[in-house]
Formats: sequence, structure tokens, C-alpha cells
Amino acid sequence: RKEVEQDPGPFNVPEGATVAFNCTYSNSASQSFFWYRQDCRKEPKLLMSVYSSGNEDGRFTAQLNRASQYISLLIRDSKLSDSATYLCVGNTGTASKLTFGTGTRLQVTL
Amino acid sequence: NAGVTQTPKFQVLKTGQSMTLQCAQDMNHNSMYWYRQDPGMGLRLIYYSASEGTTDKGEVPNGYNVSRLNKREFSLRLESAAPSQTSVYFCASSEIQLIGADTQYFGPGTRLTVL
Repeated sequence: RKEVEQDPGPFNVPEGATVAFNCTYSNSASQSFFWYRQDCRKEPKLLMSVYSSGNEDGRFTAQLNRASQYISLLIRDSKLSDSATYLCVGNTGTASKLTFGTGTRLQVTL
Repeated sequence: NAGVTQTPKFQVLKTGQSMTLQCAQDMNHNSMYWYRQDPGMGLRLIYYSASEGTTDKGEVPNGYNVSRLNKREFSLRLESAAPSQTSVYFCASSEIQLIGADTQYFGPGTRLTVL
């Protein structure tokens, strides 16, 4: 079983829609979680960190459920520019080592 | 600030050839990392350097060596390239080593093809 698992998608949604991605992790010792965004043929970039209390950044909301070991990302009012691959990321507990999911591809259309 | 830079951007090698991928960061970060990204596999850690003077193996270190030349630079060497090493290679850096993790900043990647 992969340490971090995501539905690869693609999720095809119209502009303005709300879309949610889930991600599960297997290492219960993981302490830090992130969502990274990766555009086609570009490097990953941090979208947001994920806190136990949940956190919101504009149209983006991230939540962590430690009991069920999953992380979610909610995007409201989708824009064409949100089209990208979203990587779920957890740490392995030491030395800032991160484990990346394979990514969920989002395509926002007119 | 340029952030994390990598050279070259593209490279084609023949099986058995050697090469070094260069990475530099100007953010005064302590930790640096080398990943490879393959379709359907996600990013996998090859080697990392938690601080200047130290290096450790990641998930897929076989066939690679690294050198943390100084705080800014972290190079990845393929001594004898194999077709299985065809991939996109990303270098990253982060600010401090903690129990937990800090944001990693990535370079633009090197697209390597081994024939």
C-alpha cells in the first residue's frame, strides 16, 4: 500500500463549480501535511499546509482527519487557472522528508 | 532571488554514460533534496542533505551519488546511466530540519532521457 494515496482523476468540472479531493495516508506517525500544485511540465509549488483544525485560504479549504487518516482539499468557485495536478503530501516524521501522492488532475472548463 | 536553479534543463544520454545534475539555492536553506518523478509513481526521494556536510539515502538511491558542495549547492551524479533512469529530476530545498516538515521549494526540473 502506498503511504499517500490519491484518486488520479481527472476531475473535469465547469467554471464556478465546487470540487473536493481526498487523500489517505498510512503512516499514523506523520505530523505535517500539505497540498502542492503542479502545472503541466512545471515544478510542484506549495498550495497550502493542512492543520488539524482545518484552514482556509480564499477559495481553498484544507482539512485533516487524523482518526480516519485522510486529508481533503475543497476548491470553491473553480477558475480556469485552477486546472493543474494537486499533490497530497505528508512527512515521514523526521528530517523534513516528504512523501508525495501521485496527484489528482483537475481540468476546469468553460 | 532566483530560488532553486537546476542545470541542465534537458539532457539525452546513452546507456553507460555519466553526468552530473547541478542544483543551487539562494534562500540560505539548510536542507536540500533530489527527487525523480515518473508517470504514475509520483515524486520519489533519491537522496537528501539535512544540513551542509551530511547526505542520506532516500527511497530510490541505487545508481546515484550526491555531493553537498556547500550550503548552496547539491549535485546528483549518475555514474553509468541506464534507461530506467529516464525521468524528470527535481531539486528542492527547505529552511530548517525539524521533526515535522517545512515547505519545500522546487527547482524547474531536468528532463533526462537515457537511450
